[in-house]
Amino acid sequence: TQLLEQSPQFLSIQEGENLTVYCNSSSVFSSLQWYRQEPGEGPVLLVTVVTGGEVKKLKRLTFQFGDARKDSSLHITAAQPGDTGLYLCAGDSGGSNYKLTFGKGTLLTVNP
Amino acid sequence: GAVVSQHPSRVICKSGTSVKIECRSLDFQATTMFWYRQFPKQSLMLMATSNEGSKATYEQGVEKDKFLINHASLTLSTLTVTSAHPEDSSFYICSAQQGLGEQYFGPGTRLTVT
Repeated sequence: TQLLEQSPQFLSIQEGENLTVYCNSSSVFSSLQWYRQEPGEGPVLLVTVVTGGEVKKLKRLTFQFGDARKDSSLHITAAQPGDTGLYLCAGDSGGSNYKLTFGKGTLLTVNP
Repeated sequence: GAVVSQHPSRVICKSGTSVKIECRSLDFQATTMFWYRQFPKQSLMLMATSNEGSKATYEQGVEKDKFLINHASLTLSTLTVTSAHPEDSSFYICSAQQGLGEQYFGPGTRLTVT
């Protein structure tokens, strides 16, 4: 069974601070997704990374896929209260189904 | 982007009754749909994978006779929680996939069993 270790599990910061969330595994993934989920709603896809070493930017969010495609990070610059939510990484190991393995999530709270 | 709906968004039922949750892909045909369960402040746990017209594949530890999944068309999958008990109370989320493309998630269904 492939596992994705996500850290930290909880993070509470002040508006304007930077933060990094990590997603690590001993397994190689074909691709890795990052989602953001608000209470009572389904996850919303932020980005998909496919190539080892890939870096993608989405406004103040920077996503990186490790060279070996086993780990990934999400960096948020100048966090805002609107960034508050549960951030989930999910890996696809390939195969006939696009079956995702989810990390445990990082619950981020950005205080004004 | 692709839209996936779930119905109902919230449901409260009495212990021992059955509840059906619908998952619909509104603007695309979903060859595969996935059902997840999520407890408060925790991640998504995959329950089962269903392909249109065939039996669902359940993850280890998920009772197939308790969580009945039907994927009768390319736009609709249903999850029926049979003989529900308070421990079945959870947030159930579906996702839909077209071919080997990405999964699009529904808004979830909050089930409370009293």
